[in-house]
Amino acid sequence: KAGVTQTPRYLIKTRGQQVTLSCSPISGHRSVSWYQQTPGQGLQFLFEYFSETQRNKGNFPGRFSGRQFSNSRSEMNVSTLELGDSALYLCASSSAGGSYEQYFGPGTRLTVT
Amino acid sequence: AQKVTQAQTEISVVEKEDVTLDCVYETRDTTYYLFWYKQPPSGELVFLIRRNSFDEQNEISGRYSWNFQKSTSSFNFTITASQVVDSAVYFCALSEAGASGSRLTFGEGTQLTVNP
Repeated sequence: KAGVTQTPRYLIKTRGQQVTLSCSPISGHRSVSWYQQTPGQGLQFLFEYFSETQRNKGNFPGRFSGRQFSNSRSEMNVSTLELGDSALYLCASSSAGGSYEQYFGPGTRLTVT
Repeated sequence: AQKVTQAQTEISVVEKEDVTLDCVYETRDTTYYLFWYKQPPSGELVFLIRRNSFDEQNEISGRYSWNFQKSTSSFNFTITASQVVDSAVYFCALSEAGASGSRLTFGEGTQLTVNP
């Protein structure tokens, strides 16, 4: 089986712009979660989607949003980018979510200048 | 609120040494799950193990072993006869059970460097 794929792998944006990141989960997996990794805050949970519905949300401002499509692919969007949004954004897929193991993609490295 | 603490920020060993990575967690739930992930320089988190709170049996997988002790809220990870390829950041994580979906709480990570 192919693993979790994320596109793009690297992205440079300017403050105030918006960005959309994409994640394709492992075939058959219905849960997709997003995490932000920064040197200062570590790995933090953003949100989880299961069967096109947001099932769980972390403590991030409303500028961070996401969605999931019927084929389980997910996108996350960050509007009005700030310098502090520079991070590695990791997507994880799981067969059913909950406490099943999550398999991570290679991440998207976002740099905001 | 749940919390995971990995007190060891960095560990450096020489190849073939055994090394133990510590993980201490806090949760109010009686049912929860613990995980270990490895993050090599490429950045992708690699799943290593998942353990539920009702299973305190230690586990061994090749050179890797895990010691889960509910009494001390610890879930430590030992690499036996370490190799250079084991160099990576290792994360311990906690997930509470229930219908609220997936939400991993990660520790700060331990950077392991294995020198030849």
